[in-house]
Amino acid sequence: DTEVTQTPKHLVMGMTNKKSLKCEQHMGHRAMYWYKQKAKKPPELMFVYSYEKLSINESVPSRFSPECPNSSLLNLHLHALQPEDSALYLCASSQERAGSEKLFFGSGTQLSVL
Amino acid sequence: KQEVTQIPAALSVPEGENLVLNCSFTDSAIYNLQWFRQDPGKGLTSLLLIQSSQREQTSGRLNASLDKSSGRSTLYIAASQPGDSATYLCAVRSSNDYKLSFGAGTTVTVRA
Repeated sequence: DTEVTQTPKHLVMGMTNKKSLKCEQHMGHRAMYWYKQKAKKPPELMFVYSYEKLSINESVPSRFSPECPNSSLLNLHLHALQPEDSALYLCASSQERAGSEKLFFGSGTQLSVL
Repeated sequence: KQEVTQIPAALSVPEGENLVLNCSFTDSAIYNLQWFRQDPGKGLTSLLLIQSSQREQTSGRLNASLDKSSGRSTLYIAASQPGDSATYLCAVRSSNDYKLSFGAGTTVTVRA
C-alpha cells in the first residue's frame, strides 16, 4: 500500500462551522505533513509531525489545529475559518530514514469557506 | 533562504517531442531534490528523488540531472505523450530537516 488517503475530497463550510480533515497512511512512515495550496501556487508547509510529535508549526493561525492520534493518522481541525482559507489542503508522509525521504501526497481536500 | 525558480512557467509541445524542464536554486548546500507531477485539483506525485551526492536519476522515460555547484536540475521526459500533460514542480530540501522549498512549477501541455 503506497497511498495516502484524505477525506473528505471536497468540503464547503461557513465561517462559524467546526470541521475536521482526515489523513491516513499505512506505509509505516513516521513523518506526516499538512500543506496548503492556493490555485496556481506551490504548496506551503503548515505542520510537520515526526514520531507523532509536532516538530514544525509554520506560524499558522490558531483556527487550524493539527492532531496526530497515532503513527498512521493525521487530522486537521478547522474552526472559525475565513474565506481566504479556501484552498487545497494536502497531507503527505515520508519515511524519515537517510536515502528514503521521498514524499508521498494524498489527493487533497478542496476546501471552500463561505 | 532557499529560492527555487522554474522556467518556463508553461510549455506546449506536439506529441512525441522530448520535454526539458528546468529548475534552479540559490543555495547549493542541499540535502536532496525531488521532482513532482500534479494534475489539476489533485495531490502531488513524486517522480524522482536525487540525493545531493548523486548526479542523476532515471525512471522509465524520465531522467533528472543535478548540478549542485551551478544550482540547477533538469527533468527530461522522452517521447512525450498527451498523458504527460500536467504541472511539474521541483522541490529542494536544504538540510536534514523537513521543509521543502518548492518552485512555482512548469505547466506542460502535450498536443495529440
